[in-house]
Amino acid sequence: GQQLNQSPQSMFIQEGEDVSMNCTSSSIFNTWLWYKQDPGEGPVLLIALYKAGELTSNGRLTAQFGITRKDSFLNISASIPSDVGIYFCAGSDSNYQLIWGAGTKLIIKP
Amino acid sequence: ETGVTQTPRHLVMGMTNKKSLKCEQHLGHNAMYWYKQSAKKPLELMFVYNFKEQTENNSVPSRFSPECPNSSHLFLHLHTLQPEDSALYLCASSQESAGNTIYFGEGSWLTVV
Repeated sequence: GQQLNQSPQSMFIQEGEDVSMNCTSSSIFNTWLWYKQDPGEGPVLLIALYKAGELTSNGRLTAQFGITRKDSFLNISASIPSDVGIYFCAGSDSNYQLIWGAGTKLIIKP
Repeated sequence: ETGVTQTPRHLVMGMTNKKSLKCEQHLGHNAMYWYKQSAKKPLELMFVYNFKEQTENNSVPSRFSPECPNSSHLFLHLHTLQPEDSALYLCASSQESAGNTIYFGEGSWLTVV
């Protein structure tokens, strides 16, 4: 079946650093979504991308829909403690099924 | 506040109990979903309802029984669960089920003892 590879699996960063994570697929997606999940809560939508090449920002977050439609990245600039959590990507395939990445866990070093 | 409300937030049940999880969405959406989230695993889609009709059942055991009385409400009835069913159960909704952006509730933590 469809697979979506999300990397890295986890990241240890210093406060103030920029963060980058990405998702890749072996097939094309029509939509890319990025979510953040805090401990004990449901995922919250951060950014939705609907067109190849689209670059969208939400505050310190920026995400891009890859031109090949097989990948997407999420960048966080100048990380702060409340950025910790798990970030999920999801892609909508040609059958309009949502395929999920396994998540990137962001941890801020004390 | 995401517009999708789940109750209870936490549930502990024995293997012989019968309980239900409830979800309500206030977004005017037509599709609702149940997902299961276990530690260190990707989100697992369980059921999809579109305009109150079940359109997807991802080989979920019959001890999980969904019910969608209208487009705003979704239930997950639980009976004779196993300890491995302990997980976070997430409800979500979207405008329609065809690849639309979905919005999650806060989840119901289920522990089966």
